[in-house]
Amino acid sequence: NAGVTQTPKFRVLKTGQSMTLLCAQDMNHEYMYWYRQDPGMGLRLIHYSVGEGTTAKGEVPDGYNVSRLKKQNFLLGLESAAPSQTSVYFCASSPDGIPKQFFGPGTRLTVL
Amino acid sequence: AQTVTQSQPEMSVQEAETVTLSCTYDTSESDYYLFWYKQPPSRQMILVIRQEAYKQQNATENRFSVNFQKAAKSFSLKISDSQLGDAAMYFCAYRGDSGYALNFGKGTSLLVTP
Repeated sequence: NAGVTQTPKFRVLKTGQSMTLLCAQDMNHEYMYWYRQDPGMGLRLIHYSVGEGTTAKGEVPDGYNVSRLKKQNFLLGLESAAPSQTSVYFCASSPDGIPKQFFGPGTRLTVL
Repeated sequence: AQTVTQSQPEMSVQEAETVTLSCTYDTSESDYYLFWYKQPPSRQMILVIRQEAYKQQNATENRFSVNFQKAAKSFSLKISDSQLGDAAMYFCAYRGDSGYALNFGKGTSLLVTP
């Protein structure tokens, strides 16, 4: 099992560009999450999904969109990147009924 | 909303000694889960230990144990026989029984000296 994987690992964007971060899990988990981590901060929830075809907003959703078309994938989109979105992005997944979350390795995104 | 506070931005411990990291949280829920995650320089988030609020017994995992004080809303992590590989950022996290996502504290950077 690969667990939770994230693509890409690093990316540099210019202000106004768009991109999509891909999260994939092979554990058949129902729940998936996107967090961002900024210096001196813990992880903050951007969006989450409780099942295929569902998404919900987290603590800091502005400027991001998500989609969960397949159970194993959770995509995070930035339509028009801003320097404030420079961060490390983590994806996580968890099975139904079990609070433990499994994290991906993170994506470091820089917006110039 | 639940808040998680880690009041120690940095801690230092000598190899083989014991260190305690503090965490307090604020909640109105009666059922919830608490976690300690370790984040080494590799950035990977690693679950260290988990505590269910309904359990009175403190969780332990080898050299890691917690002191869970429900009434005081305190959840500290004790690392015994510290090793160089324990050096990392440690995050305390909360999840309500009715929720899905984790609420994280800002983290404590642990330095282990030889």
